[in-house]
Formats: sequence, structure tokens, C-alpha cells
Amino acid sequence: QSVVTQPPSASGTPGQRVTISCSGTDSNIGRDYVAWYQQLPQTAPKLLIYKNNQRPSGVPDRLSGSKSGTSAYLSISGLRSEDEADYYCVVWDDSLSGYVFGTGTKVTVL
Amino acid sequence: EVQLSESGGDLVQPGGSLRLSCAASGFTLARNWMHWVRHAPGKGLVWVSRMNPDGSVITHAGSVKGRFTISRDSPRNMLYLQMNSLRVEDTAVYYCVRDFTGPLDDWGQGTLVTVSS
Repeated sequence: QSVVTQPPSASGTPGQRVTISCSGTDSNIGRDYVAWYQQLPQTAPKLLIYKNNQRPSGVPDRLSGSKSGTSAYLSISGLRSEDEADYYCVVWDDSLSGYVFGTGTKVTVL
Repeated sequence: EVQLSESGGDLVQPGGSLRLSCAASGFTLARNWMHWVRHAPGKGLVWVSRMNPDGSVITHAGSVKGRFTISRDSPRNMLYLQMNSLRVEDTAVYYCVRDFTGPLDDWGQGTLVTVSS
């Protein structure tokens, strides 16, 4: 069981804004950067956000990240059908001396 | 273009061993942090191991420590994961991953390891 938790599911209609949370502790999110990934079925994960709120080239600006205390957030605005996927946060944990992925959130576009 | 291609996944009995390989192209392995990440069927992503550019820092997740070893062949630009004392719960798709701006920027397509009797 991961020490970093996400809601198992989130949903919205096309065009809406969806926000996913990633809740950790002082030994991980409270002290280090968070990254976010999208995983479509049967494919490798794709980096969406790094260093809490930075987007790699090619990731649209309707995706944004933020962090406050021991929680981080991924927002998807202008929701599209192709956003339907699993989303994971990841962060270094000082107590475990390793990276920890969040439990994952399945986003459904209604 | 950066490419990572894993191989070596197979069906193995509990207690057995397997070595996964990752062929890198488009960049030099020895200049990047490299990782192995796994994804068990129906479960979430789990970070497994990492190695720094000069090979002086190697870290493994607690669940595989003492059983798995990450290594590299720099002249061949290859990354490896030696897996010993395999357990049913090690069944997963294993990904080779590169840090760039990241962490965990560039991913291979994965290789399936099935541990079953």
C-alpha cells in the first residue's frame, strides 16, 4: 500500500475542469518535488508535469500542477475524450529512500 | 530520437531468476539517471531501482532489496535488472526509464515477467 494516496476515480463532461489530488507526508511531498504521469491502457506512462508545475515540451497548457504543504494537485481543463486515462503522481520519499508513486486516479470523460 | 527497448521478460517459477535488458539509443546511458519501474496487472505503478550517471549511487525499493540488482554496460549502452528469488508478487510489466528534466521522462515499451508455478 502506497504512502502517497490519490482518489481512485474522477470524472467530468467534455470542456469541464477536473482536479486530482495527491496526498503525502512530510517525508515526501512536504520536502520534495512532485511529478505527474498519464497512462493510457496497455501503454507506457507519459510525463505530464515535473517539479510540481513544469510542463515538458509538447504537453498542452490546459494541464497544470500545483503543490501546497503535503498535497499536490493536477488540473485538467477543457476536458477531452482523449484525457480518459490513469494518472499517477510520484515523489521521492526520504524515509523510504526511494520514489513512491501515488495510488493512481482513473479519469473518465462522461 | 531517444529510444528504450526492454527484453528478457518470461514465465519463471517462484524462486527462479531472470535478467532483464534495456537497449538505449539516441543518448548515452552513462550520462543519465536510469530506473526500473514495474506495473503489476490491475495494480498501480511501483518504482523498483535506480542508478546515477557514474554508477556510484544505486538504490532499490525495499520490496526487492537483496533480490534485485540494477547494473549497466556502458560500452554497449545497455541497462540490466538481475532478478533473483522471484516471487508471485513480482509478476508485472517492467519498464526501463530515463531521467532528463523529469524524474522518469522517457519510458520503454516494457517487458512482461510472469512468476507462476
